Amino acid sequence: QVQLRESGPGVVKPSETLSLTCGVSGGSITNYYWSWIRQPAGKGLEWIGRIYASGSTNYNPSLKSRVTMSVDTSKNHFSLKLNSVTAADTAVYYCAKANQDCSITGCRFGWFDPWGQGTLVTVSS
Amino acid sequence: DIVMTQSPLSLPVTPGEPASISCRSSQSLLHTNGYNYLDWYLQKPGQSPQLLIYLGSNRASGVPDRFSGSGSGTDFTLKISRVEVEDVGIYYCLQALRSPYTFGQGTKLEIK
Repeated sequence: QVQLRESGPGVVKPSETLSLTCGVSGGSITNYYWSWIRQPAGKGLEWIGRIYASGSTNYNPSLKSRVTMSVDTSKNHFSLKLNSVTAADTAVYYCAKANQDCSITGCRFGWFDPWGQGTLVTVSS
Repeated sequence: DIVMTQSPLSLPVTPGEPASISCRSSQSLLHTNGYNYLDWYLQKPGQSPQLLIYLGSNRASGVPDRFSGSGSGTDFTLKISRVEVEDVGIYYCLQALRSPYTFGQGTKLEIK
């Protein structure tokens, strides 16, 4: 079955760029949507955005001006960049497969499964 | 954005007893295709969230049948018929109808 694993620096300085990669194993990254979700310590979950294997993206407007997602099908991974970070961006970052529900009328996003184990990113000088 | 509101936020339960969590959305999650775009996730201590229920009432693969999801429109419920110790954690609902996809605040289930 598909497994996801996040990787990247655990500490990022304020005003710099957070960069994470999600490696996909057990299946191909093509023909699917993939998402990033984050969770500040002791708080709830926030959807950051999603990317299709073709590279098309959809971001949360609250972060849109600072987020860039990309996909590398040759490496079977996708990536997140968040620029101009502050302490408020300190969180566990998860990647997840964004599954679609497809019917005669078309396909639309339905649920996140599976999720990666998450990686803690701390913004600190 | 669609706002998701869960209740209660804390739920102490005796093993073997039933439990119920409510999730309400600020807009209807019922699509014209007949599906409710509402999911339930469980985040066990120290783990990443795992899918329990998708599209309102469909149990994910491997999820015990003591978990069930119901509701339509703006009111949804996750029920556990008989709570087990392994069910401890934080339960989240997610609206998957409209971007940005938004989660409820979470309900922490603990064992009495």
